Amino acid sequence: DAGITQSPRYKITETGRQVTLMCHQTWSHSYMFWYRQDLGHGLRLIYYSAAADITDKGEVPDGYVVSRSKTENFPLTLESATRSQTSVYFCASRDSTDTQYFGPGTRLTVL
Amino acid sequence: GENVEQHPSTLSVQEGDSAVIKCTYSDSASNYFPWYKQELGKGPQLIIDIRSNVGEKKDQRIAVTLNKTAKHFSLHITETQPEDSAVYFCAASMEGTNRDDKIIFGKGTRLHILP
Repeated sequence: DAGITQSPRYKITETGRQVTLMCHQTWSHSYMFWYRQDLGHGLRLIYYSAAADITDKGEVPDGYVVSRSKTENFPLTLESATRSQTSVYFCASRDSTDTQYFGPGTRLTVL
Repeated sequence: GENVEQHPSTLSVQEGDSAVIKCTYSDSASNYFPWYKQELGKGPQLIIDIRSNVGEKKDQRIAVTLNKTAKHFSLHITETQPEDSAVYFCAASMEGTNRDDKIIFGKGTRLHILP
């Protein structure tokens, strides 16, 4: 199916564990983004990527790592999960008219 | 960098009435202002956008106005319906030669349509 997908949709993990959230888009958009959404904070940018092998930090990058070896995939890794990283994570891609397309989100709980 | 303020954080309106959400931005170079709607359990979705070369744009019951001098823009929803209940985000970025990589979002407005 065309579009942007995220997996898993729900994840429960423990403090200190490594977790990877996957994001895949079928449009070949150059730009991709990771946001976290928390009550009272809206959407905060974690990392973004302008193209394959090009990534840059957003507003809240600490504790996260990204990679972009292929245009269509943009995984987000929490190297050692902390309770403060409990959140809903959204991946997005952007087309040439600057419209952002968001995935359905991953709800992550860190115990 | 750009900063976007959005008000109110929560808004309740009677079905059939109008709803207005307001945003201000800080960077006068910003020239693209989209609005996103997020329904429960879903990702945000673009509903309307405006560029700085126009002052108003309409799409059926939704309109957006832009005041570049005052650096604020607003979303207007008329004849509200139950399906308008959602969280709405405004955003700002810069297109063109000095295009921004990032888009800056407001903190969101939770709109409740009361029966």
